Amino acid sequence: GQNIDQPTEMTATEGAIVQINCTYQTSGFNGLFWYQQHAGEAPTFLSYNVLDGLEEKGRFSSFLSRSKGYSYLLLKELQMKDSASYLCAVRGYQKVTFGTGTKLQVIP
Amino acid sequence: EAGVTQFPSHSVIEKGQTVTLRCDPISGHDNLYWYRRVMGKEIKFLLHFVKESKQDESGMPNNRFLAERTGGTYSTLKVQPAELEDSGVYFCASSHAQTGDGYTFGSGTRLTVV
Repeated sequence: GQNIDQPTEMTATEGAIVQINCTYQTSGFNGLFWYQQHAGEAPTFLSYNVLDGLEEKGRFSSFLSRSKGYSYLLLKELQMKDSASYLCAVRGYQKVTFGTGTKLQVIP
Repeated sequence: EAGVTQFPSHSVIEKGQTVTLRCDPISGHDNLYWYRRVMGKEIKFLLHFVKESKQDESGMPNNRFLAERTGGTYSTLKVQPAELEDSGVYFCASSHAQTGDGYTFGSGTRLTVV
């Protein structure tokens, strides 16, 4: 089975940097997703890490350590529109298992 | 390219009634997945189709839920009879192959059972 842990809520200031952590214990691992989900909308793909290391896409970066069962999503130069839930999800053989999500509130 | 589309966007039904949700995946995507998010909980996997075949239906909660994908194109998820605890948002996703980037979600169907 899969077990995924991430903080429930975080608050950060506009223009700052925030790191959202995710730890997982899985019986199979083929990659880790980060999704952004605004209230009432579908999850939006942010990143997919298969190998260890840091991947950067603009203001967003995602890190993976398979040996530690650990990932983080780094958001730089926070904007008010970044207020959303951020979902960590682990892909097993085929299906994806989601964490409960971290609700990020960006304040002025 | 059209994304994953789901219909209806919202549905309110009475306990005991039947509801059918539809998902149209991205054209050419063989893999189709159904997920559900109930209030306050994480998104949970329901089942996975590869073309018209059920690859994994381990997440289906009980036999009141029936998913089909005739012809390997669109899929339907029928709940019959609906119960109060079935309320939530039902998401569909599709992907072309084994790559993670192909995983695309629809906007979801919000089901309310009263």
